[in-house]
Amino acid sequence: QKEVEQDPGPLSVPEGAIVSLNCTYSNSAFQYFMWYRQYSRKGPELLMYTYSSGNKEDGRFTAQVDKSSKYISLFIRDSQPSDSATYLCAMPGSYIPTFGRGTSLIVHP
Amino acid sequence: ETGVTQTPRHLVMGMTNKKSLKCEQHLGHNAMYWYKQSAKKPLELMFVYSLEERVENNSVPSRFSPECPNSSHLFLHLHTLQPEDSALYLCASSQDRTGGGGYTFGSGTRLTVV
Repeated sequence: QKEVEQDPGPLSVPEGAIVSLNCTYSNSAFQYFMWYRQYSRKGPELLMYTYSSGNKEDGRFTAQVDKSSKYISLFIRDSQPSDSATYLCAMPGSYIPTFGRGTSLIVHP
Repeated sequence: ETGVTQTPRHLVMGMTNKKSLKCEQHLGHNAMYWYKQSAKKPLELMFVYSLEERVENNSVPSRFSPECPNSSHLFLHLHTLQPEDSALYLCASSQDRTGGGGYTFGSGTRLTVV
């Protein structure tokens, strides 16, 4: 079993939709969780960072962590075409961070 | 200049060439990383440097050779590469080797081996 599982998509939604992106992980030692956004031909950029169970909100983005289920989610409200990108979940570790393979999101007008 | 800067942005090289990728971070971070990103594949960690200590992915071929002269600069020396080495090479940094605070990535070097 891989340490982090993430559906690669692509996920295609209409503008204004609520988007749900998810990752499952197997290592219960993970304490911090991150979401990155990567536009085409660019490096990933940190979008959300959380270290506890529950929800964290930042504008249209909400990160949710359920440690008991080893499940994390990123919700995007009122999605825009500019949100079209690949979203990667990540868990930092000693020397070796763990990244999901990324979910490709397409928001069409 | 702030953040993580990678040069060159694009590189085309023959299989017999020798070239180097450069990364510089202006964040005061103490750990730096090289990643390989191929189409439709997950990020592949190649090397980690933290306070001059190096950790490497044992599956990385010896034709890739990292160098970290100080905490702000990281190089990836390339020689006798293969076409399957064509990919986006990303440099990243973090405050320390635990990754606390997250990882900051550069824009990457798009490498094409012909």
